[in-house]
Amino acid sequence: KQEVTQIPAALSVPEGENLVLNCSFTDSAIYNLQWFRQDPGKGLTSLLLIQSSQREQTSGRLNASLDKSSGRSTLYIAASQPGDSATYLCAVYNDYKLSFGAGTTVTVRA
Amino acid sequence: SAVISQKPSRDICQRGTSLTIQCQVDSQVTMMFWYRQQPGQSLTLIATANQGSEATYESGFVIDKFPISRPNLTFSTLTVSNMSPEDSSIYLCSVPTSGGSYNEQFFGPGTRLTVL
Repeated sequence: KQEVTQIPAALSVPEGENLVLNCSFTDSAIYNLQWFRQDPGKGLTSLLLIQSSQREQTSGRLNASLDKSSGRSTLYIAASQPGDSATYLCAVYNDYKLSFGAGTTVTVRA
Repeated sequence: SAVISQKPSRDICQRGTSLTIQCQVDSQVTMMFWYRQQPGQSLTLIATANQGSEATYESGFVIDKFPISRPNLTFSTLTVSNMSPEDSSIYLCSVPTSGGSYNEQFFGPGTRLTVL
């Protein structure tokens, strides 16, 4: 059974600081890994998708890396803003389904 | 990307009643997924709904409690039956792009259910 862990569980930083969010998974036989953002009481917004053959993916201030062999992914958010405050979830796809981590709740202080 | 809507967006229900949640997608997709997010928890897959066949349920979820319909390629419903306070959660549907299951997944806005 795939287990996905996200560290830290919560993070508070001043505006402008770079964010580093970690995700690890136990079964490296994944098809892809996806990072999501969730605002309180809302659905999920897809941020980045990394296929298993890729090492990283970038979108604007966001960069995600994937090391499949070691079962790790890192999401970097550059120059954080108060609007980046949310919970960030990573999910891996294998065995015909997505398995989610518990998320990292980020607070960016103005 | 896919545009997904859910109805209702939220509801407060009495113990022992049932609620049907609708999920509408703006394009045809083969597979649709239903998830539950209990308070303070991450997402757990309830079932996979394929058009033209019975839904496939994950361990711990049964059809009598969570019946699913998939009448066409753009629509699905999830019913939460004989509700108890433990069913209070956000329920979300999701679809993959391009009709396959290995591509990017998109989620609906969720239905926030409170059971009294």
